[in-house]
Amino acid sequence: VMTQSPATLSVSPGERATLSCRASQSVSSNLAWYQQKPGQAPRLLIYGASTRATGIPARFSGSGSGTEFTLTIRSLQSEDFAVYYCQQYNNWYTFGQGTKLEIK
Amino acid sequence: EVQLVQSGAVLKKPGESLKISCKGSGYSFSTYWIGWVRQMPGKGLEWMGIIYPGDSDTRYSPSFQGHVTISADKSISTAYLQWRSLKASDTAIYFCTRGDLDNWGQGTLVAVSS
Repeated sequence: VMTQSPATLSVSPGERATLSCRASQSVSSNLAWYQQKPGQAPRLLIYGASTRATGIPARFSGSGSGTEFTLTIRSLQSEDFAVYYCQQYNNWYTFGQGTKLEIK
Repeated sequence: EVQLVQSGAVLKKPGESLKISCKGSGYSFSTYWIGWVRQMPGKGLEWMGIIYPGDSDTRYSPSFQGHVTISADKSISTAYLQWRSLKASDTAIYFCTRGDLDNWGQGTLVAVSS
């Protein structure tokens, strides 16, 4: 089971957002982060817990291993406000329930 | 350019059958797994299952085993998601994704209502 916190995060543009994802058992570094906007498919941001996918801005960073993971978004831009999901792919595939990042 | 293009939105009645598709282009379709993901209205993402088009090796999440069928035709670079008897609770957007997780279809809205 993947558990994301918080469910909703209110942050002002230009500030930093920190999103958490916890696994019920170790998933090593087999962890991905996605961004999803309304009416769109998920967009891969991070894989291998900390590697940015192609074309993802450097303000997005991922960290962690085992059971605790973090997605950090520095200097939030207007286009970053969306829902974020973590997903483990160590043992099958499981998504977290999502964190909605909203404008404060 | 890698692309996954899904079939269009559909409205069906309970009990009807349905097969939606996901056509890959811009890469060797046979050599990448294709997964299917469900998103119910206003809800999160759920992994349904995955298929390797090269040999049709198919695996399902327990929640979806027996309720849907995943298949692929590598000769036309297309993967499918199929229901024999739809329920109202199957109403959702369904996404296909390549096994590297970096390429997704645009999603297919399936609405089931009497």
